[in-house]
This record gives sequence, structure tokens and C-alpha cells, in this order.
Amino acid sequence: AQSVTQLDSQVPVFEEAPVELRCNYSSSVSVYLFWYVQYPNQGLQLLLKYLSGSTLVESINGFEAEFNKSQTSFHLRKPSVHISDTAEYFCAVKAYTGKLIFGQGTTLQVKP
Amino acid sequence: DTEVTQTPKHLVMGMTNKKSLKCEQHMGHRAMYWYKQKAKKPPELMFVYSYEKLSINESVPSRFSPECPNSSLLNLHLHALQPEDSALYLCASSPEGQGIDTQYFGPGTRLTVL
Repeated sequence: AQSVTQLDSQVPVFEEAPVELRCNYSSSVSVYLFWYVQYPNQGLQLLLKYLSGSTLVESINGFEAEFNKSQTSFHLRKPSVHISDTAEYFCAVKAYTGKLIFGQGTTLQVKP
Repeated sequence: DTEVTQTPKHLVMGMTNKKSLKCEQHMGHRAMYWYKQKAKKPPELMFVYSYEKLSINESVPSRFSPECPNSSLLNLHLHALQPEDSALYLCASSPEGQGIDTQYFGPGTRLTVL
């Protein structure tokens, strides 16, 4: 069975500092990986995805994630965070059934 | 345009009420989903419609009744809910519902059951 583990439930960081949100998955088949962001009192927004091709994927707001097959990881990084990045971040893997399997989420708290 | 809309934004209902949640997308997607999300938890899949047919029901209680009138609309009919059903209800859509499909989520309906 496929599963996703987000290793940190909360990540506090100061503004303009770099951040990494960790995500590991388990799957014996081809994987399709996603990061979604949920701002307070809002729905989920797709941040970035890995389907195939280049293992480094980028979003329009400065986040990037690298698919690492040998380490079964898809960590999310940003070199310099803003207050507005404060949100809940969910890593997800697409199961062979078509379902999205979510991790438990990581709360990113950016402090001034 | 990757927009999924949901109405209402907030809903408060009693345990004997009947209400409906509505979801709409105009991206030509053929798969639509209902999720339930409790605070500080990931979304939990409830139902999947693929080409307007119910393809997945995750053993959801019968007090939740989904309906897909056409390929752009998805409703969730609510009846005799319990206080523990209070949650954020998210709708999503995707092009085909399988393979490398990407799901796009709406803003959600915040439901409170008194």
C-alpha cells in the first residue's frame, strides 16, 4: 500500500530564512507526487507536482521540490520565506487506484 | 482557469435539517470529488464521480447523499447530521480521475452542526 509521511508537524522559522518541509513516501509502483498548500480558512491549492521528467520541480512563488527515488523523498524547500507563506502544507502521492494519499500535514509558522 | 467554486461558504444547520452543498467547475473535467476535512487533519475522501457515475464511496454514512446532475455540477445532500459531522467540506475536480490526473480543489464549505 502507498503511504506518505511528513516528518515534521510544525516548522517555525524566521522571515527570510530558508526552510525545508520533509516528505517521504512508500510505493512499489510509479509515483506521482504533489504538494498542496492550505492558507487559514481556505481550500487546498496545488503548489507543485512531480509526474515525470526532471526531478526538480518549481512553483511560481519560489518553492521547489526534488524527487529522490533512492531515498523515496519529495522534500519541499524555499531559500527565503515570507510571512505570507504561513500555512499548512500537505504532501500527497497518487495511488494506483487514482486516489490521493495525503500526509498528516506540516504547519509552517513564519515569524517576523 | 483552474477554478472550482463551492457554495455556500458557511453553513450552520440543526440535526433535523436538510441542506445541500454545491460544487461547480467549468474546466471540462470529468471526475469530481467530495472530501471532509477536520481541523489540523488532511482531507479524507468521501465520494468520487467519474463521467457522472459514482465510482468510489468510502463507506460514508447514508446521511450524506451525493448527486452529479451533469459533468460540471456536484451536490452533497445532507440530512440528519450529527455534531461530529462539523468540518470543512472540500470539492475537487480532475480531468479524467485516473493516471497522472491532478486534482484541483475548491475553497470549501465550513459546516457546523448544532
